Amino acid sequence: DVKVTQSSRYLVKRTGEKVFLECVQDMDHENMFWYRQDPGLGLRLIYFSYDVKMKEKGDIPEGYSVSREKKERFSLILESASTNQTSMYLCASSSPPGSLVGAFFGQGTRLTVV
Amino acid sequence: AQSVTQLDSQVPVFEEAPVELRCNYSSSVSVYLFWYVQYPNQGLQLLLKYLSGSTLVESINGFEAEFNKSQTSFHLRKPSVHISDTAEYFCAVSGQQAGTALIFGKGTTLSVSS
Repeated sequence: DVKVTQSSRYLVKRTGEKVFLECVQDMDHENMFWYRQDPGLGLRLIYFSYDVKMKEKGDIPEGYSVSREKKERFSLILESASTNQTSMYLCASSSPPGSLVGAFFGQGTRLTVV
Repeated sequence: AQSVTQLDSQVPVFEEAPVELRCNYSSSVSVYLFWYVQYPNQGLQLLLKYLSGSTLVESINGFEAEFNKSQTSFHLRKPSVHISDTAEYFCAVSGQQAGTALIFGKGTTLSVSS
């Protein structure tokens, strides 16, 4: 089974802290994604990466950055956490478009910024 | 760029009734379409996908969706729902070329009662 592992299920951070959310996948997928999920807003794409060291902005990249130094790992960085970044963060990975499988998701990290 | 509109945020139905969850997409290129399901307190799972071929696709638990290119729709249907189908359902779209993102709608909450 494909496994997408996010480093923390729950995280509490203080305003202004630099926050790292880590995601690792074990299926050699090219694509990796970071979303945030908020009630009534669905999943909004923050950043995605289709190859090592490649990154593309999603719909809401402001206040975030990403790093993909190795194919299996995609990190989301909150440079200076703010209370409006309190949310559920979901990482996903997938093969190239048109493959027989869709994206696989991690269990999510619920981040609270106080 | 692609976008997805899920036309109903909440759909309440009684057990054994039929249900349709509506999804429309917008894209300037050919697309792949997906439905994901999120059961309470669980992660997202792929329910079904349209890649090519027959426009009617089915899942193992009785859901089906039909790709309608002229109406740019991918509605999800089930002829008879169960209490256990209570969940949030997300429609998603990606372009067919490599390097494109997977974009989600805002979700539809299906509530099945007895």
